[in-house]
Amino acid sequence: LAKTTQPISMDSYEGQEVNITCSHNNIATNDYITWYQQFPSQGPRFIIQGYKTKVTNEVASLFIPADRKSSTLSLPRVSLSDTAVYYCLVGEGSGGYQKVTFGTGTKLQVIP
Amino acid sequence: EAQVTQNPRYLITVTGKKLTVTCSQNMNHEYMSWYRQDPGLGLRQIYYSMNVEVTDKGDVPEGYKVSRKEKRNFPLILESPSPNQTSLYFCASTQTDRGPYGYTFGSGTRLTVV
Repeated sequence: LAKTTQPISMDSYEGQEVNITCSHNNIATNDYITWYQQFPSQGPRFIIQGYKTKVTNEVASLFIPADRKSSTLSLPRVSLSDTAVYYCLVGEGSGGYQKVTFGTGTKLQVIP
Repeated sequence: EAQVTQNPRYLITVTGKKLTVTCSQNMNHEYMSWYRQDPGLGLRQIYYSMNVEVTDKGDVPEGYKVSRKEKRNFPLILESPSPNQTSLYFCASTQTDRGPYGYTFGSGTRLTVV
């Protein structure tokens, strides 16, 4: 299972774009990259998932370079309600469920 | 509403008294998993199940048991709880053919062992 490395914490002002980068040097061919958001005392919530290039949904964008050794979650114009912990997760493609490790995540603090 | 339901939400118990935390999902998911979350350690996987009667250890299985007799239920059993099992526990499920990690998580169970 690919190990991921994320910054422990980040601060941002309201209205700014926030980019959180995750390193996953040992990513395997079948691995997808998935990001989750967690508020205190709640279960993580799926945000976005990708394999390569760029993926965008109504919440965020995910940028994955050609070598796939890193990925960047981009949150446009954050608000106070985006204050949460964000987890990067790398693992096997469909049908390949095994052990899943979330890591410690990135704590994002949005400042008014 | 599609959801993962855990019970109880809060539990205080004494060392050695067997307890079960229930987890049920209504989405017909094959894959279910238990995690514990402790400050500074993130989410660590305890056990997971690929389908009925198929379970396997995660990263921190010691002191826990699970069973998967029905597709919708995946209870977590602590035969003899100890204070180091005080933690926030999450159950999660996903459909295996949907892409790897579209988990749906339960609301959590905060367990205190004294």
